[in-house]
Amino acid sequence: DTGVSQNPRHKITKRGQNVTFRCDPISEHNRLYWYRQTLGQGPEFLTYFQNEAQLEKSRLLSDRFSAERPKGSFSTLEIQRTEQGDSAMYLCASSFSGTSSTDTQYFGPGTRLTVL
Amino acid sequence: AQSVAQPEDQVNVAEGNPLTVKCTYSVSGNPYLFWYVQYPNRGLQFLLKYITGDNLVKGSYGFEAEFNKSQTSFHLKKPSALVSDSALYFCAVRDGSGYSTLTFGKGTMLLVSP
Repeated sequence: DTGVSQNPRHKITKRGQNVTFRCDPISEHNRLYWYRQTLGQGPEFLTYFQNEAQLEKSRLLSDRFSAERPKGSFSTLEIQRTEQGDSAMYLCASSFSGTSSTDTQYFGPGTRLTVL
Repeated sequence: AQSVAQPEDQVNVAEGNPLTVKCTYSVSGNPYLFWYVQYPNRGLQFLLKYITGDNLVKGSYGFEAEFNKSQTSFHLKKPSALVSDSALYFCAVRDGSGYSTLTFGKGTMLLVSP
């Protein structure tokens, strides 16, 4: 399977703990995106990378959220001091952008986070 | 700011009948429009997109969408629904003038009955 992969698929944690999610994009894709999806809502954009550069991070929900893509390949999303309101599905997507801005984002299966 | 409205939380249709899932959008520049489908416990799957050109866009699994600039709409259609089409459908928009993020609607649940 050469699609976007995310690990873990499910994470249950206690309030106050830190969690980290991983996303492996489609191999030739240079852009990587993180979204959050809560029940009954569409995905909400959090941040994106072009290669290893984080080009938009103002939508990260608080300073407890951070993301990295150190070598321009896989990415991690970390949530520190988790709160019950952080419970959601976290989606990763990737795309290839050459000279065009009409790139299509392809999504992974998501990581479902439950904070007790 | 850009936004998407999907006015129906749920659409019910009988198998074999045509289906329409509605989407309207607001964006300051030229719109880039997308439809995605989400099955239970799965990520979003890309169906089709409108960038420019022909107002009728054909996509995966027999779906198509019609771009209407005057009505700022991008409705998803299929001539003959299948039970397996039952899923959650999301419309999304991006401002085509320069790079901007993708904004999604709340989704419409499509239920196709046998």
